[in-house]
Amino acid sequence: EAQVTQNPRYLITVTGKKLTVTCSQNMNHEYMSWYRQDPGLGLRQIYYSMNVEVTDKGDVPEGYKVSRKEKRNFPLILESPSPNQTSLYFCASSPHDRQAGRNEQFFGPGTRLTVL
Amino acid sequence: AQKITQTQPGMFVQEKEAVTLDCTYDTSDPSYGLFWYKQPSSGEMIFLIYQGSYDQQNATEGRYSLNFQKARKSANLVISASQLGDSAMYFCAMREGLNNNDMRFGAGTRLTVKP
Repeated sequence: EAQVTQNPRYLITVTGKKLTVTCSQNMNHEYMSWYRQDPGLGLRQIYYSMNVEVTDKGDVPEGYKVSRKEKRNFPLILESPSPNQTSLYFCASSPHDRQAGRNEQFFGPGTRLTVL
Repeated sequence: AQKITQTQPGMFVQEKEAVTLDCTYDTSDPSYGLFWYKQPSSGEMIFLIYQGSYDQQNATEGRYSLNFQKARKSANLVISASQLGDSAMYFCAMREGLNNNDMRFGAGTRLTVKP
C-alpha cells in the first residue's frame, strides 16, 4: 500500500530533550516536506526537500533540523524543544513532475507533540 | 501577505443540502494549482480535488466541485448533498509555478453537517 508513515504518533516530552520524528514514504517520491498545524493558522511549512541531500527552509524553520540521506526518509529533528513547538506535525511527499502535473501531496497520519 | 485566505472559520449545513466553502488566493505567477484537502476528526489529510490555472473547466470529483473564478482569484469548494461524514476541517492550498512542489495552505474552515 502506497503510504507515508510517521513515528511516533503521539509524544509528550520536556523542554530541552532532543527528539526525532521519523517520516518514510514508499512511493519513490522526490519531494518531501514537513508542516506544523496550529489552530487558526492552517499548515505552515517547516522544511522541504527536493531530493536526496537537497533540503531547504520553509516558512517556520527556527528550532528544527532535517536531513535527507535516503530518498524514502525525511526525519524532523528538534535539538532543544520548547513549549512553543507543541503542535500537530505532518510529513508529506509528492512526485516532482516537471510537466506541471497535479502533484498533490500525500500526507502522513500526523504526530501530536507536547513539550512541557 | 496571505497567499491563501479562507474567511469562514466555521460553517453549518443541513444534511442533504449543498454548501460552498470560500477560498481566495494571491499570486502573480500565471501557472499555479489549487487544491482542497479534508481533515476529519481523526486527523489525517485527505486530498479532495485539484484545479490547474490553465484548466478550462471547473474540476469535479463526485460530490465535490470547484467553482474556479480566475479573474476574482477564487477557488470555492462546493459539496453537494452533504452527509454527516462531511463534517471536518477543510483546507484550501496553492502551488505556484511549474517546477515547484511547495504548497501554501489557508487557515481552514470547519464544516459541521447537521442531521
